[in-house]
Amino acid sequence: EAQVTQNPRYLITVTGKKLTVTCSQNMNHEYMSWYRQDPGLGLRQIYYSMNVEVTDKGDVPEGYKVSRKEKRNFPLILESPSPNQTSLYFCASSSLRTVYEQYFGPGTRLTVT
Amino acid sequence: GESVGLHLPTLSVQEGDNSIINCAYSNSASDYFIWYKQESGKGPQFIIDIRSNMDKRQGQRVTVLLNKTVKHLSLQIAATQPGDSAVYFCAERDDKIIFGKGTRLHILP
Repeated sequence: EAQVTQNPRYLITVTGKKLTVTCSQNMNHEYMSWYRQDPGLGLRQIYYSMNVEVTDKGDVPEGYKVSRKEKRNFPLILESPSPNQTSLYFCASSSLRTVYEQYFGPGTRLTVT
Repeated sequence: GESVGLHLPTLSVQEGDNSIINCAYSNSASDYFIWYKQESGKGPQFIIDIRSNMDKRQGQRVTVLLNKTVKHLSLQIAATQPGDSAVYFCAERDDKIIFGKGTRLHILP
């Protein structure tokens, strides 16, 4: 089954404790992206990657890091999480030819206390 | 339609009726316009797209209309069913994809 998987699905952590949210896709997609979704603000792009070893900032990259060492994986790293990073995070992937047609993961709900 | 406010706009439609969800976009240079559906507890799901050189595109039970003159996009859902209950996002693509805030579609029995 073609899918995007994220782990963990739920995470409660404390300020300053480094964490990683993993994202993996099995569709051989070149393009991968991370979004955060907040009430009233919709989906905002954090980082995206157009291929292995190529990453770019989205609209809200501050406080986040990403890496793309393999085509299928695109982890999101919070080196020192803060409460304003409490949000619902989505990973998405697509082919480069049809970036408008993105496949989203199930989401990771992160709470930073 | 879409809103920048804190409250998500809600559209309530009787089951079996047609739904029309509206969206205003801002970038005249966008080459694709897209609709996504997000059910409760799930990630957004692609529904349909339309290129900027088109004004209408039909899918299965859905039709997207694009009016570039007034920068308006709409999604029409025919014979609305309970499974259509979700938040619907419009999005536009220029060099990147920008999502709207979403409209909640509520189906009345």
